[in-house]
Amino acid sequence: GAGVSQSPRYKVAKRGQDVALRCDPISGHVSLFWYQQALGQGPEFLTYFQNEAQLDKSGLPSDRFFAERPEGSVSTLKIQRTQQEDSAVYLCASSPLAGVETQYFGPGTRLLVL
Amino acid sequence: GENVEQHPSTLSVQEGDSAVIKCTYSDSASNYFPWYKQELGKRPQLIIDIRSNVGEKKDQRIAVTLNKTAKHFSLHITETQPEDSAVYFCAALDFGNEKLTFGTGTRLTIIP
Repeated sequence: GAGVSQSPRYKVAKRGQDVALRCDPISGHVSLFWYQQALGQGPEFLTYFQNEAQLDKSGLPSDRFFAERPEGSVSTLKIQRTQQEDSAVYLCASSPLAGVETQYFGPGTRLLVL
Repeated sequence: GENVEQHPSTLSVQEGDSAVIKCTYSDSASNYFPWYKQELGKRPQLIIDIRSNVGEKKDQRIAVTLNKTAKHFSLHITETQPEDSAVYFCAALDFGNEKLTFGTGTRLTIIP
């Protein structure tokens, strides 16, 4: 079946602009995660959903970052008033069940803030 | 919180030789340890994982070992091939938190 998909794949934003990144998890997957991957680094956790409930948002770097998953499937990560330090690849991952550990990653959205 | 350290950051191996990448973790509550392979511009792909009730797991040319007492785990790739060239990330997960903490990655280059 189809894997995790993300859109757009690339996004160039001017500093101060708002952006919205979309994640389509594998159908039926309960858990959804967002990670931020800076150049040459490992992914870093941002936030986690179990169905529509956001259970952990401890990794969001500031209140400019907001994530939602209103119907328990598609998720959107929104970044307001983008800054240059927000430039990174944003990865989404999904997992079949709560507590099941295997996470399947999407291709990521590469965000460049100028 | 969990802290994962990974070594080496770069590794060059002659084709056909073995490669070993090592990781240590800090949180004794972590009980699941996956390894991901990431090619340039691509998504991380799970290649092998191990749970804390197992000491070693093997899948063809890839093996992972876990030492819970010392809090370290290692990836072993035997008979390396050019297509093994990529960045490899280790990670640790604490079920209580549900989030993966990644190492900083190892860039593996297989020399033909």
